[in-house]
Amino acid sequence: DIVLTQSPATLSVTPGDSVSLSCRASQSISNNLHWYQQKSHESPRLLIKYASQSISGIPSRFSGSGSGTDFTLSINSVETEDFGMYFCQQSNSWPHTFGGGTKLEIK
Amino acid sequence: EVKLEESGGGLVQPGGSMKLSCVASGFTFSNYWMNWVRQSPEKGLEWVAEIRLKSNNYATHYAESVKGRFTISRDDSKSSVYLQMNNLRAEDTGIYYCTRRGGYSWFAYWGQGTLVTVSA
Repeated sequence: DIVLTQSPATLSVTPGDSVSLSCRASQSISNNLHWYQQKSHESPRLLIKYASQSISGIPSRFSGSGSGTDFTLSINSVETEDFGMYFCQQSNSWPHTFGGGTKLEIK
Repeated sequence: EVKLEESGGGLVQPGGSMKLSCVASGFTFSNYWMNWVRQSPEKGLEWVAEIRLKSNNYATHYAESVKGRFTISRDDSKSSVYLQMNNLRAEDTGIYYCTRRGGYSWFAYWGQGTLVTVSA
């Protein structure tokens, strides 16, 4: 199975900061990588598909980049509503797997 | 508006059985692959099972950890997908989400989840 390693595990930031979250795959997955946000007591929500493609209704401050094994989710000027967990997921090989997540918390 | 509503979770003893249901609305159900994804503190998010379309002969796929114990099915006339879980183990404990695929790759929509607890 493809292992997705997310770092850091926890990121403490101040609203207004810009941040980058990392997702590294154990083997090349082309651009078959998707990002989700999960707030406390809610279901995950799709943020980015195919590494960098935007999703309707998601604020433009969220962007994604990368291909192969290294991927980044960037948040430009974090807002208070952005705090929570972020997960990556690969769809290059079965089974489709998720990363362990990065917790974005208020400093 | 797309909605996915799960039901059927609860407490079950190890070795027991449970059937989860998910009713969908807001889209043409018969046109989409449907999945179950679960989440636990120990394992995080884990894809469990997928069922495809009538045109795919309702092909199914399972995670190795549940193969032979879980069965996914669908009833397009009721816009519903089901997960029959047999021979449940403690490690099956978690929140089970009904999800709809987007573009066969990502999970575009998620239900609110239903909690399954396997414990004596």
